[in-house]
Amino acid sequence: DIVMTQSPDSLAVSLGERATINCKSSQSVLYSSNNKNYLTWYQQRPGQPPKLLIYWASTRESGVPDRFSGSGSATDFTLTISSLQAEDVAVYYCQQYYSTPYTFGQGTKLEIK
Amino acid sequence: EVQLVESGGDLVQPGGSLRLSCAASGFTFSNYWMHWVRQAPGKGLVWVSRINSDGSSTTYADSVKGRFTISRDNAKNTLYLQMNSLRAEDATVYYCARGADINYIKGNWFDPWGQGTLVTVSS
Repeated sequence: DIVMTQSPDSLAVSLGERATINCKSSQSVLYSSNNKNYLTWYQQRPGQPPKLLIYWASTRESGVPDRFSGSGSATDFTLTISSLQAEDVAVYYCQQYYSTPYTFGQGTKLEIK
Repeated sequence: EVQLVESGGDLVQPGGSLRLSCAASGFTFSNYWMHWVRQAPGKGLVWVSRINSDGSSTTYADSVKGRFTISRDNAKNTLYLQMNSLRAEDATVYYCARGADINYIKGNWFDPWGQGTLVTVSS
C-alpha cells in the first residue's frame, strides 16, 4: 500500500497570510506513460463531506478560488493557500489514486491564528 | 445538479448485516466508476471499495474483503454496499463518491461526495 504522510498535523495562520501543507507518498505516484501525478487534495469543513480542490497534483477544480494551488511531483507535494480567508478553516487531505487501495494522508487541520 | 444521497445507515449488533444505498442524479450514472469511503467520527478518510461503470469489476480494502460487497443498478441509478459480519471498527460514516468516467478523462478521484450515512455497531 502507498502510505501518504502529511505535515504538519495542524497549522494556525493569520488571515491574509500564506498557508502551506505538505504531503509525501511512500512511493512515486507519477505515471510515466502520461507524465501525470495521481494526487488530489480535498477540503473538509466541519460537518461536511470532503470537497475536491486539486487533481493531477496541480489542476484546480472548477469554482475553487485561485488562492488555492497545488505543486510537486513523484513523492513530494504541496498545497498552498496564498492568502488565508476565514472560510478556509477546515481539515485538508491529500489522496493518491495511482493504485488501490487508494489512500489518504492523515489530514491537516487549518485554523486562524 | 450532480447529487449523491446515501441511506441505510442504522444501529446493528456485532456480527449483523446492513445494506447501504446511494442514489445518484444529475449525471449519466452508468458512465462512471463509483466508490465507498468511510470516516470514523473525528478521524481520517479510508477508502473502502470501488466498482466500475458496468459492475463487472470490483475492488476492496483488505479490512472489508470477504465481508462487504459493492454493487450497482444502472437502471435505478443506485450504488449499494452490502455489509456482513459487522465489527465495532466498521462503525463510521460511509460516503459514496463518483470516480473516473469510462473514457478516463476524469481520473479516479472522488467528486462529488454524498453527505454520508452513519453506521453504528453495538450490542
